[in-house]
Amino acid sequence: QVQLVESGGGLVKPGGSLRLSCAVSGFTFSDHYMIWIRQAPGKGLEWVAYTTSSGRTIYYADSVKGRFTISRDNAKNSLYLQMNSLRAEDTAVYYCARPMAGVTSTPFDYWGQGTLVTVSS
Amino acid sequence: QSVLTQPPSVSGAPGQRVTISCTGSSSNFGAGYDVHWYQQLPGTAPKLLIYGNTNRPSGVPGRFSGSKSGTSASLAITGLQAEDEADYYCQSYDTSLSGWVFGGGTKLTVL
Repeated sequence: QVQLVESGGGLVKPGGSLRLSCAVSGFTFSDHYMIWIRQAPGKGLEWVAYTTSSGRTIYYADSVKGRFTISRDNAKNSLYLQMNSLRAEDTAVYYCARPMAGVTSTPFDYWGQGTLVTVSS
Repeated sequence: QSVLTQPPSVSGAPGQRVTISCTGSSSNFGAGYDVHWYQQLPGTAPKLLIYGNTNRPSGVPGRFSGSKSGTSASLAITGLQAEDEADYYCQSYDTSLSGWVFGGGTKLTVL
């Protein structure tokens, strides 16, 4: 069955860095685009970063552009999110998810369980 | 403030029918982009409930249905059950923002 398992969350000080990982199984990872979506405590969902299957085309939300970097290793069936210059407003549960198909009008059909990132001094 | 507007809460008694609205604009629904719906049970990740406006993934009960017209969409739940108590989110793509957008979420309470 399809599984997405995030790791790497934790407590970090403002200005610090963290690298999240998402280990994928149950489907051909290299065939699929992938996305990171976050949810601040008690708040709604916000997309963060998106990569095509090859990793050659990447999109970022304005709120993280220049600070976060999405990458993938298709040989390891893994997705990553390098987060630098972290701010308090980056505090959230971070989910990796699989777009069902395409780029724009796609739903996200599989989600990981999420990993909590807390930015606080 | 979310690009897609949902009511913060709805409620209904077991067995009843409830609807959750999602209002967009000319740059998302009005531009032809589909609406998708997610159910998020407490403490869990969102789960895809409806995709492509009206389609249910395998395993989602027929009690859940979706519709879209113009710049609005809605999720209907019939035969309400206690296990339906959750947060529900609509989602689409916005061409002006060049990104995916979500509603602010609606908390469904089963009375």
